[in-house]
Amino acid sequence: GAVVSQHPSWVICKSGTSVKIECRSLDFQATTMFWYRQFPKQSLMLMATSNEGSKATYEQGVEKDKFLINHASLTLSTLTVTSAHPEDSSFYICSAPGTPTYEQYFGPGTRLTVT
Amino acid sequence: KQEVTQIPAALSVPEGENLVLNCSFTDSAIYNLQWFRQDPGKGLTSLLLIQSSQREQTSGRLNASLDKSSGRSTLYIAASQPGDSATYLCAVRIVNTGFQKLVFGTGTRLLVSP
Repeated sequence: GAVVSQHPSWVICKSGTSVKIECRSLDFQATTMFWYRQFPKQSLMLMATSNEGSKATYEQGVEKDKFLINHASLTLSTLTVTSAHPEDSSFYICSAPGTPTYEQYFGPGTRLTVT
Repeated sequence: KQEVTQIPAALSVPEGENLVLNCSFTDSAIYNLQWFRQDPGKGLTSLLLIQSSQREQTSGRLNASLDKSSGRSTLYIAASQPGDSATYLCAVRIVNTGFQKLVFGTGTRLLVSP
């Protein structure tokens, strides 16, 4: 099956700093990628849809100025958490749909801890 | 607004049992439904994908069914093993305002004891 990678797998940062997370589709092209957030013992919540070459679409309640998304190529989307605070600590997962079935392939996730 | 619910929230069974996980969704206008497993602290592994026109899919000891009209899907695991212990998530693919989305269920935490 298709492979999606994320980097880093975990990161610890200080409050007020910014953190960038990369999501790559390794063996297929993805014009669309999705970013999710998962809090402990909860399900995945869609944060935003990343579109190659255009602006991302954010879900209601997600601050676009805080979670900056860039989808600069057909294989790379980045999520930057700006001015991170402890409440931003979470597990961030990206996914990309394959064709033609639109089966979703997920990255391994990035554990962000803000101290 | 599409809502996806999974029952039970948690399940503990001895090794060897056959078991059924349930997933229900409120809006039958879906494109497909996907079952995933998630191990603690890990990403998601796709188990089965059922297109809206299909009734079921099978992979090894796993069988998933879909009844779109009633908004239900079940995941059947035969002869459960300790390695099956994980959280199982179902998700439906919808299109909202022109964008495709996956809406996830609440998950079922499965523990299979030896």
